[in-house]
Amino acid sequence: NAGVMQNPRHLVRRRGQEARLRCSPMKGHSHVYWYRQLPEEGLKFMVYLQKENIIDESGMPKERFSAEFPKEGPSILRIQQVVRGDSAAYFCASSPAHKETQYFGPGTRLLVL
Amino acid sequence: QQQVKQSPQSLIVQKGGISIINCAYENTAFDYFPWYQQFPGKGPALLIAIRPDVSEKKEGRFTISFNKSAKQFSLHIMDSQPGDSATYFCAAMITGNTPLVFGKGTRLSVIA
Repeated sequence: NAGVMQNPRHLVRRRGQEARLRCSPMKGHSHVYWYRQLPEEGLKFMVYLQKENIIDESGMPKERFSAEFPKEGPSILRIQQVVRGDSAAYFCASSPAHKETQYFGPGTRLLVL
Repeated sequence: QQQVKQSPQSLIVQKGGISIINCAYENTAFDYFPWYQQFPGKGPALLIAIRPDVSEKKEGRFTISFNKSAKQFSLHIMDSQPGDSATYFCAAMITGNTPLVFGKGTRLSVIA
């Protein structure tokens, strides 16, 4: 059973470009969470999605950030017009329905030049 | 507002010693408390978790102690090994599919 997969693992963007981060949950998991980790910081919740639904986006900035989890395919975290402050590691986690344990992917490290 | 406070920020322990990391939470609705281990360049991996109906849980060399009245919980790593050197995060959540709230992490170095 493959774990949570994220790609790309590293992403370099210039200010003003768009960043697209992908997350494929573990097989059988219908819940996806995105977290952001700044250097020397813990993980901060951004958004929680189920298939075709955003359940909780209270941790996601209102501007430039969006997320989706379509019926088919991976979950996507999209950052438009990136700024240097967006440089961070972005982790995706998945869990089955009605279970607490969240399994994390290896992360995407975004660097904005 | 930081809902989960973790200490110390960094910790150096001799091989064979006991590593102790402490966390305190504020939200009394939290009822699931996992610990995650993270190596550089990797994602967090679940280590051990506890619910507030028990005061202690042990898995191998790892033990969680939980004090519900004080709203505190701690991770003890017995017989610490150099391979345990990593960053450890405590977290808390409300049962059900809800987000985890993380502490800021403790960087553990186990030296020979």
